[in-house]
Amino acid sequence: SQQGEEDPQALSIQEGENATMNCSYKTSINNLQWYRQNSGRGLVHLILIRSNEREKHSGRLRVTLDTSKKSSSLLITASRAADTASYFCATDDSGAQKLVFGQGTRLTINP
Amino acid sequence: ETGVTQSPTHLIKTRGQQVTLRCSSQSGHNTVSWYQQALGQGPQFIFQYYREEENGRGNFPPRFSGLQFPNYSSELNVNALELDDSALYLCASRPGGRYTEAFFGQGTRLTVV
Repeated sequence: SQQGEEDPQALSIQEGENATMNCSYKTSINNLQWYRQNSGRGLVHLILIRSNEREKHSGRLRVTLDTSKKSSSLLITASRAADTASYFCATDDSGAQKLVFGQGTRLTINP
Repeated sequence: ETGVTQSPTHLIKTRGQQVTLRCSSQSGHNTVSWYQQALGQGPQFIFQYYREEENGRGNFPPRFSGLQFPNYSSELNVNALELDDSALYLCASRPGGRYTEAFFGQGTRLTVV
């Protein structure tokens, strides 16, 4: 079963604009992670934010976590054509032994 | 480059057959998980192994089974293939267990006809 629900399911923006993707989840978590997937290949880890953290940055990526609302957002600033991919959030539950992924957001950056 | 390799890249099997997919993890990564990803969906957790023992399983029938070996390689076996088993199968390894990032292989695209 899917835990995270990403919103929107698809997003198309112009190169240089910012892209924001949201993720909601249901259970208690240890951390939440974001991954990128190009063209149905392997997933690449982007960033991990722990349940006691509220915001984290990595290069052009900014992730926020609101455990009271059970939600997270991923912001990609100054988007590039190479950012075109599917983005998934995954929760690392406090009790379970697995990452639970959402359905993903398909991001398209138009030149 | 994640250091996780999967083989084969693509595979076509006939309904009812059996298949073995392989994964080689990074040295020192003693946790390996397998995921099934249908087209347009997020990865679904199949099972996880820690130090050669299964320590977590998703909602998949027993015909999905696995093994983990001391040399950080692992296998996913699927018996009695069904058409709905057609998907991308992903292997992921973690250093030291839970609550860390996962390193994914490029996946095996399985088509059942």
